Amino acid sequence: GAVVSQHPSRVICKSGTSVKIECRSLDFQATTMFWYRQFPKQSLMLMATSNEGSKATYEQGVEKDKFLINHASLTLSTLTVTSAHPEDSSFYICSASPLNRTRNNEQFFGPGTRLTVL
Amino acid sequence: LAKTTQPISMDSYEGQEVNITCSHNNIATNDYITWYQQFPSQGPRFIIQGYKTKVTNEVASLFIPADRKSSTLSLPRVSLSDTAVYYCLVGDRNGFQKLVFGTGTRLLVSP
Repeated sequence: GAVVSQHPSRVICKSGTSVKIECRSLDFQATTMFWYRQFPKQSLMLMATSNEGSKATYEQGVEKDKFLINHASLTLSTLTVTSAHPEDSSFYICSASPLNRTRNNEQFFGPGTRLTVL
Repeated sequence: LAKTTQPISMDSYEGQEVNITCSHNNIATNDYITWYQQFPSQGPRFIIQGYKTKVTNEVASLFIPADRKSSTLSLPRVSLSDTAVYYCLVGDRNGFQKLVFGTGTRLLVSP
């Protein structure tokens, strides 16, 4: 149980295009999902907190108009990187907090999406 | 959110016990300590969580002293497949709190 999937697992796009990444909780409902970015050899950096049915909360320094987050249901959150540039190339990871937690501050992570912008 | 400090890297050999210590001097009363493991190009995976004293599960033990200003993740008899980055996080037990990842400890297990 408690599986989080991401789609696609990797994507290559041209500079200036937009890319949508999906995060799904497969066997549980999640009111809150989180989006992280990770550059090579670095730690995960939280980008935003996504709450079902409301606007996402972005961390300082993260452009909300560039990284559009939609959390339309209790099992799906999407991150759209708009007008992508090479510096947006990174590993994007989502996590989800189940409604019925068995541990404190429990989050399950997706497998990540490797974005390469040419 | 309490900040955590860990060694950047550690080396070990197969079959040895590995202890990774994390400092969290500003831990709050309601904070729990959680450890995650991350393999390259994968999302982090939960290892263990604790509040005080000792917690043990099928993969690791977590030792937390009385002042809770540090914690030690103990991996018994590591294998090559335990080569990964290990993150120590501190967070409030209540609500859906964001997790702030520190630098993590890169563990390399050699034959």
